[in-house]
This record gives sequence, structure tokens and C-alpha cells, in this order.
Amino acid sequence: QKEVEQNSGPLSVPEGAIASLNCTYSDRGSQSFFWYRQYSGKSPELIMFIYSNGDKEDGRFTAQLNKASQYVSLLIRDSQPSDSATYLCAVRRDNDMRFGAGTRLTVKP
Amino acid sequence: SAVISQKPSRDICQRGTSLTIQCQVDSQVTMMFWYRQQPGQSLTLIATANQGSEATYESGFVIDKFPISRPNLTFSTLTVSNMSPEDSSIYLCSVESWNYGYTFGSGTRLTVV
Repeated sequence: QKEVEQNSGPLSVPEGAIASLNCTYSDRGSQSFFWYRQYSGKSPELIMFIYSNGDKEDGRFTAQLNKASQYVSLLIRDSQPSDSATYLCAVRRDNDMRFGAGTRLTVKP
Repeated sequence: SAVISQKPSRDICQRGTSLTIQCQVDSQVTMMFWYRQQPGQSLTLIATANQGSEATYESGFVIDKFPISRPNLTFSTLTVSNMSPEDSSIYLCSVESWNYGYTFGSGTRLTVV
């Protein structure tokens, strides 16, 4: 079982729709959770972080965490073609950070 | 968050040679991390570099192949030694951010021919 699992996609949504990206993790002791966006040929860029159960909103992005279900998600509202990228989920416990393989999102105009 | 300058941004190297990748951070940081990202795959941690001590390598990575230097709190190098085509990858350095996430350098795209 992978430590951090994501659907590889590609996930395709029309412009203006909500994109929903999901991630599950195996370590119940995980403490902090991150979403990175990686454009093709570029390095990952941190877009959201969440530590507590529930929702956290930042502009068009909402991160959702459910520790009981070991599940974290990222919602992108009003998706734009510029949101087309690979989204990496990362989970941290102490000094150990684990990355998922990423979900490729395509937003079609 | 810290700003990281990584170079070279890309290189094409002959097999059997070595390449040294440099990362310069604009602030002092305790730990720097070196990652590899192979095409279509996620990030794999190679090693953690602490200033003043030997780097800590992850399973599958050894110091002879990936020697690391960390001479001060703002700089680190990773050398990919005796390269083979299997070493073709993107190499990334990173540091911890205030929010416990990581900030990444711009990456080095290495092609071994």
C-alpha cells in the first residue's frame, strides 16, 4: 500500500466548473497536509496547507481534511485553464514528508 | 518563504561523468532536502543535508553515488557521480517553510547520454 495515494488522472473539467482532487494516506500519526501545484517543466509550488479536521478556504481553493478517514481533498472553484497542472498531495509527520504521485488536471476552455 | 536559487537549470552529460548541482538559499536554514523526480512520477527524497554533519541518505541512495556538501546554513551541493542514463531525472533541492511545508528550488533537468 502506498503511503500517499492519489488518482493519477487525467482529470478533465470545463472552465468554470469545480475540480475535486482527492488524496488518502496510510499513517494515522500524520500531522500536517499540503497541496502543491506543479506546472509541466516547473518545480512544485505550495498552494494550500491544513492541519486540523474540516475545511480551509483560500480564494478559489478549499482544502478538506478528515483524519478519521485519512482523507484530504482539494477543491478548485471556478476552474481556469491556468489551473491545468499536476497537483501533488503531501503528508508530514515530524520531519518525514511523503508525496503522492500527483493528479493531472486539465481545465478545458 | 525562502527563495532558493538552483543551478544549473539543465544539463546533458556523458555517461561516466559527474555533475554538481548547487542550491543557494536567501536565509539561514537548518535542513536542506534533495529530491529526485523521474518523468511522470512523484518526488523521491534522496537525502537530508544538515550543516556541520554528514547527510542522511534514504534507502536506495548512497553517499558514493550522491555526495552532498553543506558548508554553511545557506548553501548545499549534490553531486551525481559516475552517471548512467538511469540517472536522467529532475533534481530538486528544498527547505522547510514557516508553515512546515517545503519550498523548492527551480530544479535541474539532467539528461545522461
